Amino acid sequence: QVQLQESGPGLVKPSQTLSLTCTVSGGSISSGGYYWSWIRQHPGKGLEWIGYIYYSGSTYYNPSLKSRVTISVDTSKNQFSLKLSSVTAADTAVYYCARDINYYDSSGLVDAFDIWGQGTMVTVSS
Amino acid sequence: SSELTQDPAVSVALGQTVRITCQGDSLRSYYASWYQQKPGQAPVLVIYGKNNRPSGIPDRFSGSSSGNTASLTITGAQAEDEADYYCNSRDSSGNLVVFGGGTKLTVL
Repeated sequence: QVQLQESGPGLVKPSQTLSLTCTVSGGSISSGGYYWSWIRQHPGKGLEWIGYIYYSGSTYYNPSLKSRVTISVDTSKNQFSLKLSSVTAADTAVYYCARDINYYDSSGLVDAFDIWGQGTMVTVSS
Repeated sequence: SSELTQDPAVSVALGQTVRITCQGDSLRSYYASWYQQKPGQAPVLVIYGKNNRPSGIPDRFSGSSSGNTASLTITGAQAEDEADYYCNSRDSSGNLVVFGGGTKLTVL
């Protein structure tokens, strides 16, 4: 059974770069048909998609964060990572990694986050 | 448009049926998926595609869509269904992911 686990610092100083890693266990990150995503949730708020990466390295980012976000993949370690630069208090949130299933059925594109990590709280504060 | 709109809060009497809706232009072209999130927990996928339930999701959860509106229906709501529910889909380009603002479901 595939599991995802986020890791990284829980406290980041303003203006610095937030770095998180998601380790995939129980399956290969190189399996086709999946995108690997980062999603965050501000305290008491809804879900915000940050971006995703395919195992080949193709990426798509939320336009509102695109200038500060980099998502990368390390297939040898079965991990993918998030870097968010120039953070402010507004980046304080729970960060989730998730697997995005992606395929076409008879009616169109099926796309959903079927497996999530437990989430990691990141606080931006001096 | 890249927005998905949900009612902030909905309530249902125990054992009754409730429909949670999600509206957005992109839903005319793409399926919505639905997630349940309980306090302090990660979201859990409950419906995806036309009307698919992941293993372990009770069959009282179902999904449907018409025009620009997707719906999650809980038939015979249970106390454990009290949670926040989020829809998500792709934007009109198909490349970006969007989430609805979430609906807080209260089971009375």
